[in-house]
Amino acid sequence: EILMTQSPLSLSVTPGQPASVSCRSSRSLLHSDGKTYLYWYLQKPGQSPRLLIYEVSSRFSGVPDRFSGSGSGTDFTLKISRVEAEDVGIYYCMQGIDVPQTYGQGTRVEIK
Amino acid sequence: EVQLVESGGGLVQPGGSLRLSCAGSGFSFSDYWMHWVRQVPGKGLVWVSRIKGDGSHIAYAESVKGRFTISRDNAKNTLYLEMISLRVEDTALYYCVRDPSSGIDYWGQGTQVTVSS
Repeated sequence: EILMTQSPLSLSVTPGQPASVSCRSSRSLLHSDGKTYLYWYLQKPGQSPRLLIYEVSSRFSGVPDRFSGSGSGTDFTLKISRVEAEDVGIYYCMQGIDVPQTYGQGTRVEIK
Repeated sequence: EVQLVESGGGLVQPGGSLRLSCAGSGFSFSDYWMHWVRQVPGKGLVWVSRIKGDGSHIAYAESVKGRFTISRDNAKNTLYLEMISLRVEDTALYYCVRDPSSGIDYWGQGTQVTVSS
């Protein structure tokens, strides 16, 4: 199975400052159809995860433009341009190119 | 509005069984792959099983293969997970999730399964 490794595992950010989470996969997530099946989710305290970014860099409906995704192959990054209080929670990357779908360990983001 | 509502969780003894259900609404249920994903409180997300819109292409995590059965009734817009021979390590919050192609876009609120004597 594809191993997904996130770093850092926790992040403390001052409101208004940027934040970045990295995700590395054990093999390329580039499919023969030309798409790269890497997703980012945010799980706020006490809630179900919700989709932020799909296929590396496409923002899901309703997601603020301060969230952006980048990367290719096996290395990916989620960036928050200016962190807000409502961004606290655990961020997960996930690969959808192969079964079993696998997730990173999660990165906990808190506000200073 | 897309909604996924799970039910059927509960407390069961080791070796027991449960059937989880997930009612989908606000979208064309039969057009989507569906999955079950579980999460131990305070821990990460673990994929359990998936099924294509037409009921084909079923797959399971190794840890549940032979014990769990995924199915769907598109006429009722409902996804199921039949779980037998439950183990303590199956204790988790079970999410029903929607997949438009090769990724998950919507999650239910989850149903808690607790396996304990």
